[in-house]
Amino acid sequence: NAGVTQTPKFRVLKTGQSMTLLCAQDMNHEYMYWYRQDPGMGLRLIHYSVGEGTTAKGEVPDGYNVSRLKKQNFLLGLESAAPSQTSVYFCASSPAGTGTYEQYFGPGTRLTVT
Amino acid sequence: DAKTTQPPSMDCAEGRAANLPCNHSTISGNEYVYWYRQIHSQGPQYIIHGLKNNETNEMASLIITEDRKSSTLILPHATLRDTAVYYCIVRVGNAGNNRKLIWGLGTSLAVNP
Repeated sequence: NAGVTQTPKFRVLKTGQSMTLLCAQDMNHEYMYWYRQDPGMGLRLIHYSVGEGTTAKGEVPDGYNVSRLKKQNFLLGLESAAPSQTSVYFCASSPAGTGTYEQYFGPGTRLTVT
Repeated sequence: DAKTTQPPSMDCAEGRAANLPCNHSTISGNEYVYWYRQIHSQGPQYIIHGLKNNETNEMASLIITEDRKSSTLILPHATLRDTAVYYCIVRVGNAGNNRKLIWGLGTSLAVNP
């Protein structure tokens, strides 16, 4: 049982490049989330999904897109990377119902945009 | 969601109990208190949550005051591996499709040998 995994662990992009971050969970959780964490700030929710084929915007969705084609995967895309998107990105998942806020996090992806 | 206030940092001696306070004076009746921690460079880890009764699990105990305006997370025998940032979050238990947790800056706990 690997829990939540994220690919890649590190990435350096040039301004304007695109990339996709992959999150996978093997706990059969309904809900999945993408957060970003910047120095001196708490985690901020980018997008989330309450089920396969559905996504919704979080606090800071601009510049990102997501897709949840399979229940176990949640993809975060950056179409045209900007230096302001330099951050650590965390994916999380949680079960539906009363366990919703017991979120399980991946190890993070450290992204630098130059 | 109710706002929470935590001290920015605390120290604890290894083997002693670590008591981390959280103030949530505007909490409403249907809001739960959640605790997470984040060890350096890792993803946050769920610890415990409660509504009004004290809760205990293999990681920690959660003590919520009778008026629910504050709570304390207790690590009974802190080890060096408990050095982390601890987050106290208040959230409505059933909020439809809004699954957002509001993360503050937490308390940075240093467990010293």
